[in-house]
Amino acid sequence: EDQVTQSPEALRLQEGESSSLNCSYTVSGLRGLFWYRQDPGKGPEFLFTLYSAGEEKEKERLKATLTKKESFLHITAPKPEDSATYLCAVQSGYSTLTFGKGTMLLVSP
Amino acid sequence: DGGITQSPKYLFRKEGQNVTLSCEQNLNHDAMYWYRQDPGQGLRLIYYSQIVNDFQKGDIAEGYSVSREKKESFPLTVTSAQKNPTAFYLCASRPAWGPQETQYFGPGTRLLVL
Repeated sequence: EDQVTQSPEALRLQEGESSSLNCSYTVSGLRGLFWYRQDPGKGPEFLFTLYSAGEEKEKERLKATLTKKESFLHITAPKPEDSATYLCAVQSGYSTLTFGKGTMLLVSP
Repeated sequence: DGGITQSPKYLFRKEGQNVTLSCEQNLNHDAMYWYRQDPGQGLRLIYYSQIVNDFQKGDIAEGYSVSREKKESFPLTVTSAQKNPTAFYLCASRPAWGPQETQYFGPGTRLLVL
């Protein structure tokens, strides 16, 4: 059974204070690891897909990396508008995803 | 604009009542999904469909039913057998074939019990 654990559950940063969110996973053959951003009361918004260990992807202040056991979402010099819940999910089977519980990020001005 | 629409945004259910949540997509995606989200929990898969007239149970299908009569539509019915239906319901879709694996989500429907 696929498992995804995200840490920390919640993170509070000052504006400009860089940090990382962790997503640890156990799967029987990784087809893809996905990061989403979710604002309160809204559907998740796709950020990145990573397919193999060593892969990295960037978008504005966000950078996602992948190893054989975990993924990190690095946030560089965050702004208040980066406040959201960040979800990690893995795909091992053909069609379905397994999600972690998310990390709630709050960036204070 | 291409995307996924869910309606209504808020839905109220009375005891013993069945309610249906709508999900429509114009992305020409083959696969569609229904998830339930509760506070402090990850998204849990209710049902999914990879092709018209076919669907599979997810991890928490009890008390729910679906249909897939059209490629664009995947409605979810929350039946009276679902004893704890209060949650945020999310619909997603993705292309079924090829290297693009990403699921894209709709805006969600919040279901509340009166």
